[in-house]
Amino acid sequence: DTAVSQTPKYLVTQMGNDKSIKCEQNLGHDTMYWYKQDSKKFLKIMFSYNNKELIINETVPNRFSPKSPDKAHLNLHINSLELGDSAVYFCASSQRHFNQPQHFGDGTRLSIL
Amino acid sequence: DQQVKQNSPSLSVQEGRISILNCDYTNSMFDYFLWYKKYPAEGPTFLISISSIKDKNEDGRFTVFLNKSAKHLSLHIVPSQPGDSAVYFCAASAQGGSEKLVFGKGMKLTVNP
Repeated sequence: DTAVSQTPKYLVTQMGNDKSIKCEQNLGHDTMYWYKQDSKKFLKIMFSYNNKELIINETVPNRFSPKSPDKAHLNLHINSLELGDSAVYFCASSQRHFNQPQHFGDGTRLSIL
Repeated sequence: DQQVKQNSPSLSVQEGRISILNCDYTNSMFDYFLWYKKYPAEGPTFLISISSIKDKNEDGRFTVFLNKSAKHLSLHIVPSQPGDSAVYFCAASAQGGSEKLVFGKGMKLTVNP
């Protein structure tokens, strides 16, 4: 009964490849997010979707493209992977009402060789 | 420009004693604050939150205090238990919108039996 699940948990790939990370939530939330935790351990928001509509798009290279087929899913596709993309990527979801906490998945550790 | 700062990277306490985790922020527009707990290889888990209209919120062993004039909040855990050993993140958002959370760097709490 995992609330926010993301796959894969680990992803090791070569520089220049294209890869995708999938996220699904069964909490009935209407808003989903992607965060990046870099080597300095900061969690920074990348994107947010509300009911399949992009509402937050931070300064992220356009090699990163989120896709939300429905409000329970938010996938992240990364083109032409670079060494600096190595990080842990977390998916999260929440209900877009005043002051509702976000719930996180367990993360995908992406390592670029 | 870190808007949310957790200046102490770690804290070690004895089981049964109080743990006090501190967090400072610089953005006066922040009005919603959260604490998350994170175990290794897992995602952050929501712990407790506080709105800027309050100065204290309590949930069982966890109490969060907010000092708006000092732009400071703290998390008190009483009594501390070994299972509380984790990394704790402070997070904040502005203007009542929980979508864009800004996280601190995290603080590792170790509770010794």
